[in-house]
Amino acid sequence: SQTIHQWPATLVQPVGSPLSLECTVEGTSNPNLYWYRQAAGRGLQLLFYSVGIGQISSEVPQNLSASRPQDRQFILSSKKLLLSDSGFYLCAWSVDRLSTGGNEQFFGPGTRLTVL
Amino acid sequence: ILNVEQSPQSLHVQEGDSTNFTCSFPSSNFYALHWYRWETAKSPEALFVMTLNGDEKKKGRISATLNTKEGYSYLYIKGSQPEDSATYLCALPDEDSNYQLIWGAGTKLIIKP
Repeated sequence: SQTIHQWPATLVQPVGSPLSLECTVEGTSNPNLYWYRQAAGRGLQLLFYSVGIGQISSEVPQNLSASRPQDRQFILSSKKLLLSDSGFYLCAWSVDRLSTGGNEQFFGPGTRLTVL
Repeated sequence: ILNVEQSPQSLHVQEGDSTNFTCSFPSSNFYALHWYRWETAKSPEALFVMTLNGDEKKKGRISATLNTKEGYSYLYIKGSQPEDSATYLCALPDEDSNYQLIWGAGTKLIIKP
């Protein structure tokens, strides 16, 4: 069975500090990987997605970046955090299942980031 | 860009009552619709994937219907319980990219004991 891990679970960082959040998936090959953010009182916002190693699509211009160094590893980074980066960050994976409605996404446990 | 709308934005329901809410989408180029439940401080959990007009799916006290010709899906909860309190999200595949889901803003359901 497939599992998805995210760490850390919670993080408190000062403004201007760097960020690295990691996500790994087990039990599947060549998954599509996603980073989402939920800011306070708001819905899901897609930040990045990746369909393969080294392939990153950015949805929202910002001071965040993503990398996929290995097939089942997805990293969200920032060189300098802003207050507005606070939120709940979710990693998700999917595989292409076009015959059955495609791309059902499975989410990790999330990271609660507070920037002070 | 595909527009996915959910209504109402929030809903307070007495424990034991049944309720329903709506996801609306453009009826042209329909491919699939996904329902998720998102509890506070947890990650979204898939409920249903619906693909065919007239589809009806059920999981316990929760069921969903799909009308692709008129562009809506209903999610029903029968005999609401406190554990049903959550935000219910619907999502459809992006028209331009099968990799992305376009998410509605969700319906926040609060069950009052």
